[in-house]
Amino acid sequence: DIQMTQSPSSLSASVGDRVTITCRASQGITNYLAWYQQKPGKVPKLLIYAASTLQSGVPSRFSGSGSGTDFTLTISSLQPEDVATYYCQRYNSAPLTFGGGTKVEIK
Amino acid sequence: EVQLVESGGGLVQPGRSLRLSCAASGFTFDDYAMYWVRQPPGKGLEWVSGISWNSGTKGYADSVKGRFTISRDNVKKSLYLQMNSLRAEDTALYYCARGSGGSSTYYYYYYMDVWGKGTTVTVSS
Repeated sequence: DIQMTQSPSSLSASVGDRVTITCRASQGITNYLAWYQQKPGKVPKLLIYAASTLQSGVPSRFSGSGSGTDFTLTISSLQPEDVATYYCQRYNSAPLTFGGGTKVEIK
Repeated sequence: EVQLVESGGGLVQPGRSLRLSCAASGFTFDDYAMYWVRQPPGKGLEWVSGISWNSGTKGYADSVKGRFTISRDNVKKSLYLQMNSLRAEDTALYYCARGSGGSSTYYYYYYMDVWGKGTTVTVSS
């Protein structure tokens, strides 16, 4: 099975900072990669699909890039409401797999 | 409003069975693949199972294969998960999610754009 490895597992940054989360697939997945945000006690929310396409209604400070095995989620200017755990997920083949998550906190 | 509402969770003894349901509304249910995703307390997301729009293809995580069965009723706009031989490690919040973005006859190739609020399953004696 193709594994998804996220890093870091957690980070603390200041409001306004640029934040980058990486996700690496153990094999190439072209661009079948999605990013989700899960705020504490809430339901996961789709942020980005096809590696770089922003879901409707998601703030433009969020962006995604990458193809093949290496992907990144960037928050260009961290806001207090961005405190959450972020997950990558591949959907190119079965079984679908999520990364382990990255917990983002405000410093 | 596009909505998914799960039900059927509860406290069950190890080895027993439980059937989860997910009622869809606000969209054409049989246009979409559907998924079950779970989240154990304090842990990350785990994909459990998926089904194509016409039930033609189904898939399961290795951790549930042979014990769980996914199904759907497009007339009733509902998704189901029959869970047998439950174990303590199946304890989790179970989400139903809609798969979007493709036109494949397979249950994958779709990202999850709509999620329900989940139903809690606790397996304990």
